[in-house]
Amino acid sequence: NAGVTQTPKFRILKIGQSMTLQCTQDMNHNYMYWYRQDPGMGLKLIYYSVGAGITDKGEVPNGYNVSRSTTEDFPLRLELAAPSQTSVYFCASSRSGELFFGEGSRLTVL
Amino acid sequence: AQSVTQLDSHVSVSEGTPVLLRCNYSSSYSPSLFWYVQHPNKGLQLLLKYTSAATLVKGINGFEAEFKKSETSFHLTKPSAHMSDAAEYFCVNYGGSQGNLIFGKGTKLSVKP
Repeated sequence: NAGVTQTPKFRILKIGQSMTLQCTQDMNHNYMYWYRQDPGMGLKLIYYSVGAGITDKGEVPNGYNVSRSTTEDFPLRLELAAPSQTSVYFCASSRSGELFFGEGSRLTVL
Repeated sequence: AQSVTQLDSHVSVSEGTPVLLRCNYSSSYSPSLFWYVQHPNKGLQLLLKYTSAATLVKGINGFEAEFKKSETSFHLTKPSAHMSDAAEYFCVNYGGSQGNLIFGKGTKLSVKP
């Protein structure tokens, strides 16, 4: 099994551009999450989903959107990128409270 | 309200000496607590979890943690550090709903030869 796969691993954006971070899991987990990680700040929850067709905001949702059309996929869209969105983004899925993480996507907005 | 506090942002030990990474929590009910490890440029990996069974929890790579309700603590320990243990460690409190996993700010463990 591949687990949780994120693409791209690295991306540089200009201010105002948009992009989508892709996340796919092959463990048939209903719960999926997007986090951002900034130095010394731990992980902050952006959005989460408890199943296909259901999404909800986390702690820091502004400037992001998600969709969950299938159990496997949970893409994160950045609209009008801003320097404050420079971060490392992690997608995760969970089973019984245990999180399974992708390897992260490092995004820089210049 | 649920919360978690990691008491040290950075811990440095010598190889072969014990490791202690401290985590305090608050919870309005019996908590579920986790420790995750993150190696450089990698995602987080589960080390161990406490879910109200045994108070001493054993995890991977020789780590263990003891749940102490009276002290609201869930400290992570290892008897003898190895160079490969150098990483960042996160204590996580499961707040009772899937959107409410509360992360500590992390403790960076350095291991000196």
